[in-house]
Amino acid sequence: NFMLTQPHSVSESPGKTVTISCTRSSGSIASNYVQWYQQRPGSSPTTVIYEDNQRPSGVPDRFSGSIDSSSNSASLTISGLKTEDEADYYCQSYDSSNGGVFGGGTKLTVL
Amino acid sequence: QVQLVQSGAEVKKPGASVKVSCKASGYTFTSYGISWVRQAPGQGLEWMGWISAYNGNTNYAQKLQGRVTMTTDTSTSTAYMELRSLRSDDTAVYYCARSLYGDYMDYWGQGTLVTVSS
Repeated sequence: NFMLTQPHSVSESPGKTVTISCTRSSGSIASNYVQWYQQRPGSSPTTVIYEDNQRPSGVPDRFSGSIDSSSNSASLTISGLKTEDEADYYCQSYDSSNGGVFGGGTKLTVL
Repeated sequence: QVQLVQSGAEVKKPGASVKVSCKASGYTFTSYGISWVRQAPGQGLEWMGWISAYNGNTNYAQKLQGRVTMTTDTSTSTAYMELRSLRSDDTAVYYCARSLYGDYMDYWGQGTLVTVSS
């Protein structure tokens, strides 16, 4: 079984760029797609990135995703931060042996 | 538009069972699966399992094996998640989400709060 590890929290100012990491404990990060979900307080999660770097329609291009095999991690980058981006962000991956695995979540504060 | 509408909040005693429903609309139900995810108060997301609405195949999280059953009713486009032998640490918001193979969850239900308390 593998785990996905995220920083507990990050903070940045409006208009800046922030990157949230998601490190896979075992097996290659490239073996299975990574998704990123945004969850605002009291709401259901919504997808901001799927299949490593794809944006669903309606998600602004300020959101981007990538993977880095050298660090065995995925990253979510949000540029031009807005106060509305303040939320919890979860990475997620899946394989048929382990099922779905979520990272612990990162609280983004835009101050 | 795709919608997943879940059943209402439940309060259960330890040892009891709960069955949460998730009614889908706006797409061909049997072309996708349904994943179930839960979130304990103040905690992160936990993947519970996935069911194919096409053939009923399931994949459950190892820690819930033996206590959880996921089913679908294609005549009503509804998915169900039953959790048995409830414990206090099963108190959580339970979400259903549309998911082709259990990986990418593109549409989510509104969540169902299940409270386990004596």
